[in-house]
Amino acid sequence: DADVTQTPRNRITKTGKRIMLECSQTKGHDRMYWYRQDPGLGLRLIYYSFDVKDINKGEISDGYSVSRQAQAKFSLSLESAIPNQTALYFCATKRGQNTGELFFGEGSRLTVL
Amino acid sequence: RKEVEQDPGPFNVPEGATVAFNCTYSNSASQSFFWYRQDCRKEPKLLMSVYSSGNEDGRFTAQLNRASQYISLLIRDSKLSDSATYLCVVPPYGGSQGNLIFGKGTKLSVKP
Repeated sequence: DADVTQTPRNRITKTGKRIMLECSQTKGHDRMYWYRQDPGLGLRLIYYSFDVKDINKGEISDGYSVSRQAQAKFSLSLESAIPNQTALYFCATKRGQNTGELFFGEGSRLTVL
Repeated sequence: RKEVEQDPGPFNVPEGATVAFNCTYSNSASQSFFWYRQDCRKEPKLLMSVYSSGNEDGRFTAQLNRASQYISLLIRDSKLSDSATYLCVVPPYGGSQGNLIFGKGTKLSVKP
């Protein structure tokens, strides 16, 4: 089983719908992240959390919200999806500050029509 | 200068070739750098860290040039399986590694 699991892996939805992407990890890491990846734009940070109840905005947080319900779970919500939120979303985890290794989930491909 | 910049490529090379990528960064206080590899439609994975003294792992060598603020990745004896996008990663201004900055990646295609 994957150490960082994202659900759903693929989702097609319509403009205005509420969408939640979930991420769970078995690595015991304290830090969790949500990124989106778009062709030509690379990976951009949406939100990150250093611990339960710690939430920090990233580069592109508008239109998104997150919840860190437990150390192992970090969910990303799109309250009212719009077409330009169509992207590949990655969850990632990291242990502490002094390491550069992020462990990514397999990604969630979201299409907003 | 942007925080991190990479040539997007693609670099198209034959098997067995040596290929090198550079990545420039703007934060002169950065201490740690990393190369990640991302296969098509897959998640990024750490390839190697970049130390001040350089770092070598088999066919892969990473170097840091602080004076010119760039890091490099050299791949020797390229294999078909090396075809991927290589992402340069640096810490942001402020030095905290809590929020790593990813370059947009350099695409490598190794041909038979």
